Amino acid sequence: KAGVTQTPRYLIKTRGQQVTLSCSPISGHRSVSWYQQTPGQGLQFLFEYFSETQRNKGNFPGRFSGRQFSNSRSEMNVSTLELGDSALYLCASSLARGGASYEQYFGPGTRLTVT
Amino acid sequence: DAKTTQPTSMDCAEGRAANLPCNHSTISGNEYVYWYRQIHSQGPQYIIHGLKNNETNEMASLIITEDRKSSTLILPHATLRDTAVYYCIVRPSGQGAQKLVFGQGTRLTINP
Repeated sequence: KAGVTQTPRYLIKTRGQQVTLSCSPISGHRSVSWYQQTPGQGLQFLFEYFSETQRNKGNFPGRFSGRQFSNSRSEMNVSTLELGDSALYLCASSLARGGASYEQYFGPGTRLTVT
Repeated sequence: DAKTTQPTSMDCAEGRAANLPCNHSTISGNEYVYWYRQIHSQGPQYIIHGLKNNETNEMASLIITEDRKSSTLILPHATLRDTAVYYCIVRPSGQGAQKLVFGQGTRLTINP
């Protein structure tokens, strides 16, 4: 079974631009979560989607948004990019939600550099 | 969310067992202990999880103390490819279950 895929793998953007990142979960997985990883803050939870609805949200500004499609694929968008948004953005999928027994599997990430 | 405490770094010789400790003294009865690892610049890799009982899979063993306040991840025969940052996570049940809270982890170095 194919793992979680993320596109693009690398991205360079300029301050003030916006960016859209894509995540395809493992086949059959319905929950998709997004995380940001930076050297200073480590791995931080952004948000989670299930059945096309945002279910959980981390402590990030409104410039960070996301959505999920009916096939469980998800996108996240960052508007008005700042230098501090440079990070590895990770997507994770799990079979279901509502229980801690469902493992989350991570994709390889998208490395975003803002100049 | 329960907080975990892990050593910042550890070393282990190749071929020996690597034992990574984690303290989670404020864990609640319905919270799971999860272990992930992250090899440089890759996405975290799921290793194993448990609630009360010890668990074993093809990658590792997880030993949880009877009072559940600490656990140990065991890599039975460490190889150079096991060099990574290992994260111990206490995962709540219910609505917050999908939000994994990562600490700083333990940087494990396997030496030849």
